[in-house]
Order: sequence, then structure tokens, then C-alpha cells
Amino acid sequence: GQNIDQPTEMTATEGAIVQINCTYQTSGFNGLFWYQQHAGEAPTFLSYNVLDGLEEKGRFSSFLSRSKGYSYLLLKELQMKDSASYLCAVRDQKVTFGTGTKLQVIP
Amino acid sequence: GAGVSQSPSNKVTEKGKDVELRCDPISGHTALYWYRQSLGQGLEFLIYFQGNSAPDKSGLPSDRFSAERTGGSVSTLTIQRTQQEDSAVYLCASSGTDYGYTFGSGTRLTVV
Repeated sequence: GQNIDQPTEMTATEGAIVQINCTYQTSGFNGLFWYQQHAGEAPTFLSYNVLDGLEEKGRFSSFLSRSKGYSYLLLKELQMKDSASYLCAVRDQKVTFGTGTKLQVIP
Repeated sequence: GAGVSQSPSNKVTEKGKDVELRCDPISGHTALYWYRQSLGQGLEFLIYFQGNSAPDKSGLPSDRFSAERTGGSVSTLTIQRTQQEDSAVYLCASSGTDYGYTFGSGTRLTVV
């Protein structure tokens, strides 16, 4: 089974940087995903990490440490439209999602 | 089609009735997931199909829930004798690679 832990809510200021952490415990690890979900919409894929290190994609970066069971999503130059829930998901034999972190970006 | 298609987009049903929810994955995608999301909550895993392998049904909450995937493509999630606690958004996702699962827009089920 899996246990995935994320903060429930975060608030950050427009233009700033925010880091959303995710810790997990799994019997077998085969990749970690980050998804963005705006209220009332389906989740959309942001990033995938299977090896240790940082993956950068524009304003968004995702980091993974398999030995620590830890990942973070880094959002730079925050925009109001980044207000959404950010879901961490871990795959062993199947993909299981955490409960998500609701990010509010304020002016 | 270009994306994952789910139907209906909204379904209101009376308690005790059966419902069928449909998912058309992206053509060629071998992996298909069903998740359930209650208001303000995370995604709850229901069932996972991968190619011709036996599905992983470990997330189905009760024997009232079942799902099938015909011909490795379209999937139907059936809920029998619906209860009010079944009210949620049911999301389907598919993938043909190791990453980048694409979600459909979901079916919002309301049991009254």
C-alpha cells in the first residue's frame, strides 16, 4: 500500500516562489507525478519524476529523492491563475493520489 | 478522439437505482483508471485496467461497484442500488506511456 502526505493548504503572493512538499511511503516505487486541478475541473498533468533530481519545465520544477520518500513542486513567478489544488501521486503497481494541496495566490 | 471522453457529464439519479458511467480513452492507450472525487477531497482510486491483464479492483468500495473494459478500449463503471454517499465526481484517466495520464472531464453523479 501507499501513504502520501501533503499540506492541506498554502497561501503565497503573486510573483513569489512557493514550494509544495510531498512525502510518501510505498512498498514499491515506480514514479511520482504532480497534477494541477482548478476548482470544478479535471486534473492536468504537470510533471513526472522517476529518478532522483530536479526536473524543470518553465515556471514549474519538480524534485525527487527516492531514498527520503520525498518530492516537492516548485512554482516560480506566481500568477493568480496558479491558484489551484496540486496533487502528488505515486505509482507502484497503480497510481495513487494524495489529498492535494490547495494553493491560494494573493495580490 | 483527441482526449478522454466521459459520459454523461452530469447524472442525477434516485437512491436505489443503477447507473452506468462511460469512459472513452484516447485511442491506443493501454492503461485506464477510474477515480472518485468527493467535494473538496482528493482522488480516491477505484479500479485500474492495463492491457489484457486482470484489472486491479482493490479500490472498489463495495460489491455494488463494478467496471469492465471491452476490447481494451471503452470502459463502463456500474453502480448498483445507488446510495447518497455515492454522490461524487467520477473521473477516468488513460495513458499509453509511463507518464502523462490524461483525465476526462468527469461525470458528476448526484444521488437524491
